[in-house]
Amino acid sequence: SYVLTQPPSVSVAPGKTARFTCGGNNIGRKSVHWYQQKPGQAPVLVISCDSDRPSGIPERFSGSNSGNTATLTISRVEAGDEADYYCQVWDSSSDVVFGGGTKLTVL
Amino acid sequence: EVQLVESGGALIQPGGSLRLSCAASGFIVSRNYMSWVRQAPGKGLEWVSVIYSGGSTYYADSVKGRFSISRDTSKSTLYLQMNSLRAEDTAVYYCARMECTGGRCGDYSYYYMDVWGKGTTVTVSS
Repeated sequence: SYVLTQPPSVSVAPGKTARFTCGGNNIGRKSVHWYQQKPGQAPVLVISCDSDRPSGIPERFSGSNSGNTATLTISRVEAGDEADYYCQVWDSSSDVVFGGGTKLTVL
Repeated sequence: EVQLVESGGALIQPGGSLRLSCAASGFIVSRNYMSWVRQAPGKGLEWVSVIYSGGSTYYADSVKGRFSISRDTSKSTLYLQMNSLRAEDTAVYYCARMECTGGRCGDYSYYYMDVWGKGTTVTVSS
């Protein structure tokens, strides 16, 4: 089955830029979706289809996807962005696949 | 308002069965792809199952043959029947609506989870 690889953690100072990578074999050929999950809460969609931002998600959130890596970028990071971030794709067997998640710490 | 509310979570002994429900409001369950996703304590998200609007169903290998996803159109409710439960099935179970946008809905890979419930907790332990 298809495997998505995410680094366990990312740390960034307030006001700086956080980048979350999601690695997978030829992931650039797939559509990648990103979710934010704060402690004790359900996940929230922050980016769909590589780079589409749902209504209500700040413009600070953006996404890209090429080659073997998809990237979620948060500009001007705020304390309220502290959360776990998960990437998600579908594999060729009609199964949904999540990455292991990356924990964002705002210093 | 579009909303999903899960119920049915419980403490259950290994080998037992449980049925989770997910009540939808503000949209019609049968017109959407719907998924179950779980999260074991301290772990990441794990996809469990999906049902397409056309009725096709798919399962993660970890639950195949033990879990069954279904829906009741009249009640706008999604279900997850869980049999032969194991300790490793202990998790918060979320239901999620899957949506797509634009002209890409003919390809399942463009579907994403845009609405989530708050989850229901299943604990498998003796």
